[in-house]
Amino acid sequence: EPEVTQTPSHQVTQMGQEVILRCVPISNHLYFYWYRQILGQKVEFLVSFYNNEISEKSEIFDDQFSVERPDGSNFTLKIRSTKLEDSAMYFCASEGRAGTAFYEQYFGPGTRLTVT
Amino acid sequence: AQRVTQPEKLLSVFKGAPVELKCNYSYSGSPELFWYVQYSRQRLQLLLRHISRESIKGFTADLNKGETSFHLKKPFAQEEDSAMYYCALYPAAGNKLTFGGGTRVLVKP
Repeated sequence: EPEVTQTPSHQVTQMGQEVILRCVPISNHLYFYWYRQILGQKVEFLVSFYNNEISEKSEIFDDQFSVERPDGSNFTLKIRSTKLEDSAMYFCASEGRAGTAFYEQYFGPGTRLTVT
Repeated sequence: AQRVTQPEKLLSVFKGAPVELKCNYSYSGSPELFWYVQYSRQRLQLLLRHISRESIKGFTADLNKGETSFHLKKPFAQEEDSAMYYCALYPAAGNKLTFGGGTRVLVKP
């Protein structure tokens, strides 16, 4: 069964550095998402992406964040200048939306980002 | 604004006992409700959705619009049910999932 993959599984970076988290969604899916979960807190929506543009973003997704689908397979989340509070597990998800009103989001295993 | 509340952070039950995980939501329209499960060291995976009215791994959940609840139930818990369970809401407009805080289920032998 196809799966969403994410790399790296764990990223350690220093405050102020740029990080890029990578995701390979399921190949025929159309909608892509990033969520994050700070330790001990809820899974929170960051951004959704469809047709090569952001379709919705949360208040968390400020100017320090950006997403890209550079080559038709990878889906990346960039944080330009990391802060300590960006430390979290970041989940990528993809969704097919094959003509039905609601569809299943398939999640990747997550990237644990630690900002020191 | 949409909101999902799971009041129990931890549920500990013995094998063979019933288990019920509570989920309440707040949303002005007609949402789609889901239960996701995360087994140890595994990814989030969909357990069931209210629209399909199915039973997966013995779990069922009924959407009660009057009480705005979507509680998850299983009559006889098994040790392999030990996991983190998240209730999630998908709005009628837009496409972001809103998650509850999660309930950790521990099934003791």
